Amino acid sequence: ELKVEQNPLFLSMQEGKNYTIYCNYSTTSDRLYWYRQDPGKSLESLFVLLSNGAVKQEGRLMASLDTKARLSTLHITAAVHDLSATYFCAVGWSYQLTFGKGTKLSVIP
Amino acid sequence: DAGVIQSPRHEVTEMGQEVTLRCKPISGHDYLFWYRQTMMRGLELLIYFNNNVPIDDSGMPEDRFSAKMPNASFSTLKIQPSEPRDSAVYFCASSSRDRLYNSPLHFGNGTRLTVT
Repeated sequence: ELKVEQNPLFLSMQEGKNYTIYCNYSTTSDRLYWYRQDPGKSLESLFVLLSNGAVKQEGRLMASLDTKARLSTLHITAAVHDLSATYFCAVGWSYQLTFGKGTKLSVIP
Repeated sequence: DAGVIQSPRHEVTEMGQEVTLRCKPISGHDYLFWYRQTMMRGLELLIYFNNNVPIDDSGMPEDRFSAKMPNASFSTLKIQPSEPRDSAVYFCASSSRDRLYNSPLHFGNGTRLTVT
């Protein structure tokens, strides 16, 4: 059974600071997604990572994948309040995805 | 593109009643997924369809839950009879086979179900 662990589960950070969210998974997979969810809203796709060493960046967010370590990171650079949300990683084979519990990020002025 | 459309947005019902949740996937998408989100268990895949055919329903919690996809533009998730532990947010998502390896799942806005 594939297990996905995110840490931290809660993160409070000041505007302008950098931080990293980690996503570990227990078995090999062929894809990893990062999603964002605002309170009471749907899930918005951020990144799709398919191969070892993949790195993708969008604005202040950068995601990377190390399939050998079964680890993905979501790095936040110079956080701003608008990034406050819950971030999920999802891992799996083909169409069967297992989601992490999510990291609730609060960016404080 | 209107995105994945779910209805109703909120549903409050009494234990024992039948509940039907509805989903219209993005036009042209041939995969449809039903997820459930709770604080305790997070996001769980209940069932998914490909070309209107159920492929994997191993996540459906029990026989009280059933899902159908009569055509490419409509799916339902039914709970009968409903129980308080079914209270959750139910998400529908769709994706396209041709680009599935690069294409994420597109989620609807969800249905918040409360069973009293």
